Amino acid sequence: GDSVTQMEGPVTLSEEAFLTINCTYTATGYPSLFWYVQYPGEGLQLLLKATKADDKGSNKGFEATYRKETTSFHLEKGSVQVSDSAVYFCALIHGSGNTGKLIFGQGTTLQVKP
Amino acid sequence: EPEVTQTPSHQVTQMGQEVILRCVPISNHLYFYWYRQILGQKVEFLVSFYNNEISEKSEIFDDQFSVERPDGSNFTLKIRSTKLEDSAMYFCASSFRDPGGSDTQYFGPGTRLTVL
Repeated sequence: GDSVTQMEGPVTLSEEAFLTINCTYTATGYPSLFWYVQYPGEGLQLLLKATKADDKGSNKGFEATYRKETTSFHLEKGSVQVSDSAVYFCALIHGSGNTGKLIFGQGTTLQVKP
Repeated sequence: EPEVTQTPSHQVTQMGQEVILRCVPISNHLYFYWYRQILGQKVEFLVSFYNNEISEKSEIFDDQFSVERPDGSNFTLKIRSTKLEDSAMYFCASSFRDPGGSDTQYFGPGTRLTVL
């Protein structure tokens, strides 16, 4: 079945460091891909998304490119801030005509130190 | 900005008791979902709901679980006889259009259920 795999956390970085969180997926067809973020004590918020191969999603300085050839959707940010400390979830929805079931990776905790 | 709300934020119950988790989705949304996250594990899909019926449910969503939209605003998840393994964070989500494409699901802050 469909699945999403993320790099193990926690990831600890100093402020202004470069961030990469790896995400790979297994799915038939052409899923849409998402990154959600969960700040402490809050729900899941959509960070960015991409719906087809080679699309780049971006928001708040974060970017991820839908790579069909490597089945990946890695999250990057050029310069992290303390306020980016959160749990990041990669997720997919499989193709069209389905009922909206999001399949999540296990989440990666990011800690940014001043 | 409209948001999904959930009540209560934390529910403690005894094993075997019934619990109802409540959600108020965003008002013009048509698709509703429940997910759960057991501590330290992945967020897992439970059920999707559209046009007053279940669209899809996972293996987790057995006969002990039910969902309902009792009025125009609330969306509830009922667990009839709770087990210890039902302890988890439960998230409600909603979306506007066909979720099979790229439509965004908006999540509530979650209800932490603790079964003793």
